Amino acid sequence: DTEVTQTPKHLVMGMTNKKSLKCEQHMGHRAMYWYKQKAKKPPELMFVYSYEKLSINESVPSRFSPECPNSSLLNLHLHALQPEDSALYLCASSQDSLAGVSYEQYFGPGTRLTVT
Amino acid sequence: AQSVTQPDIHITVSEGASLELRCNYSYGATPYLFWYVQSPGQGLQLLLKYFSGDTLVQGIKGFEAEFKRSQSSFNLRKPSVHWSDAAEYFCAVGGDTGNQFYFGTGTSLTVIP
Repeated sequence: DTEVTQTPKHLVMGMTNKKSLKCEQHMGHRAMYWYKQKAKKPPELMFVYSYEKLSINESVPSRFSPECPNSSLLNLHLHALQPEDSALYLCASSQDSLAGVSYEQYFGPGTRLTVT
Repeated sequence: AQSVTQPDIHITVSEGASLELRCNYSYGATPYLFWYVQSPGQGLQLLLKYFSGDTLVQGIKGFEAEFKRSQSSFNLRKPSVHWSDAAEYFCAVGGDTGNQFYFGTGTSLTVIP
């Protein structure tokens, strides 16, 4: 099974709301990722977790707060977002890198976020 | 630093015609290369990958790619395109840290009947 699931599929939130995006994989992968993707653009890396520890934070604003409760789950907590944060948020997972080896990442279907 | 260039922003082909999407990378060591496809509003699906060994890589949906070190290229090909192949295609290279990908800007494929 190479499936990564994400909930919800769509989310509309106001600028004062707090919401969370969820991601789950059961492939035994120990690296998990959050990406942000605008229309007609490539995914932009936000965060990487390796063995449930945050290993890469690409200078993402603090209104985005990631959490990795266990090796299968990844959350992205959202608070006080701006309209420009509207995008497709993608979760991915992979085997953890060994000595610079890059393994293929498996992506979920994404959450379409609209901030009003 | 690693980088990926996809020179073609948009390509239109007729159904049944052959397809080649270009990808050029910049990386000092042996690269880890990937092609992904994304249908509108969907996540990215892995088509194929190159780690080492045979420079011609077979993937899913009838796609193949050829790694050419001398040209720093990893072009994606398909001999006969189907209407369902219309999508956005991304080439990516793995970074020094392993867990970081560098994506190209993507090529949008339109298939006309």
